[in-house]
Amino acid sequence: LAKTTQPISMDSYEGQEVNITCSHNNIATNDYITWYQQFPSQGPRFIIQGYKTKVTNEVASLFIPADRKSSTLSLPRVSLSDTAVYYCLVGQGSGNTGKLIFGQGTTLQVKP
Amino acid sequence: GAVVSQHPSWVICKSGTSVKIECRSLDFQATTMFWYRQFPKQSLMLMATSNEGSKATYEQGVEKDKFLINHASLTLSTLTVTSAHPEDSSFYICSAPRKLLAGGPYNEQFFGPGTRLTVL
Repeated sequence: LAKTTQPISMDSYEGQEVNITCSHNNIATNDYITWYQQFPSQGPRFIIQGYKTKVTNEVASLFIPADRKSSTLSLPRVSLSDTAVYYCLVGQGSGNTGKLIFGQGTTLQVKP
Repeated sequence: GAVVSQHPSWVICKSGTSVKIECRSLDFQATTMFWYRQFPKQSLMLMATSNEGSKATYEQGVEKDKFLINHASLTLSTLTVTSAHPEDSSFYICSAPRKLLAGGPYNEQFFGPGTRLTVL
């Protein structure tokens, strides 16, 4: 399973756009990139998933360059409630077992 | 969206006792479920893969006799922490994958809300 590297922590202010970049140099051809959000004492929550280029949903955008060795989660206009840990994971592609190995994650602190 | 529940949400027990944690997929069938453990301010650590109708697969360093996993039905997996000790105190989380679309990504993982275990 591909290993991921993310910044340990980030600070932002309400209303700003936040971009969190994840490196996954050993991503396999059939791996997808998935981002999860976790609040304290809760299970992780799915944010967004992509394979290449750009994916956008109602809460975030995911940018994936052509070589797929990194990805960037973009959170538009964050609020205090976006303070959480964000995990980048790779895998889950067709034929995979669904097994996920979590890295350290990025703790995002949004300030007023 | 798909929901995964866990019961209990928290439990306090005495050292030496066994504790059972249930993980249920509420609106989909899951032949595979995963169990994680998370210590304060740390990431989730995968403990084992629970397979319906067969033995669980444990990650390296996880004692299978300590953490008993049973996946008796397509919607229920249980984790039993046997002879619990204070060092077993942790946040235990289960997840279940569900195939999103035919031909699409294999699955999306749905996580339970977690169970806080405190061993005195």
